[in-house]
Amino acid sequence: GQNIDQPTEMTATEGAIVQINCTYQTSGFNGLFWYQQHAGEAPTFLSYNVLDGLEEKGRFSSFLSRSKGYSYLLLKELQMKDSASYLCAAMDSNYQLIWGAGTKLIIKP
Amino acid sequence: DADVTQTPRNRITKTGKRIMLECSQTKGHDRMYWYRQDPGLGLRLIYYSFDVKDINKGEISDGYSVSRQAQAKFSLSLESAIPNQTALYFCATRAGDGDTGELFFGEGSRLTVL
Repeated sequence: GQNIDQPTEMTATEGAIVQINCTYQTSGFNGLFWYQQHAGEAPTFLSYNVLDGLEEKGRFSSFLSRSKGYSYLLLKELQMKDSASYLCAAMDSNYQLIWGAGTKLIIKP
Repeated sequence: DADVTQTPRNRITKTGKRIMLECSQTKGHDRMYWYRQDPGLGLRLIYYSFDVKDINKGEISDGYSVSRQAQAKFSLSLESAIPNQTALYFCATRAGDGDTGELFFGEGSRLTVL
């Protein structure tokens, strides 16, 4: 079956760095998305990776290893506003998104 | 104003009632989607539409129906609501002509079925 695994919750300190991991198993693969979702709000797009490697976008970076079925989202210089859930989603061969349950990131001062 | 608008934002109803959730978008995207989100679970696709004449079932379409009234409007109906349909529902549109563009989500419709 198709599956996405990511930690349920993580805690980090303001100003620090945190890495949120995601492993996936899908029938075929057409890319890996990360979305941010603040409590009670809509998810918003952060990144899309389809090739192996690291994509950097400001304080956020996303990494993909297709051979390992693995991705991570790296958040640097954490700010209180980064407290949110981070959703990992893999796209299968039919271009359908398989979503993880999300990682709730708690930032402490 | 939001690019993807959902109404109602919150609704409490009783078992057996018919409910319609509406979605409209000003982004000009052809592709529209309905998802539900439950605590501890990932987003699950209910229905999706690539244009007005193209409607497709998602992984959890049972108990739901949709209508694509226009390019900008995509409605989700629960013909006879049941308590396990209590969830947060999101409408989304997809950017670009292909299948890998980012999704733009509405603000969500929280439905409670008693």
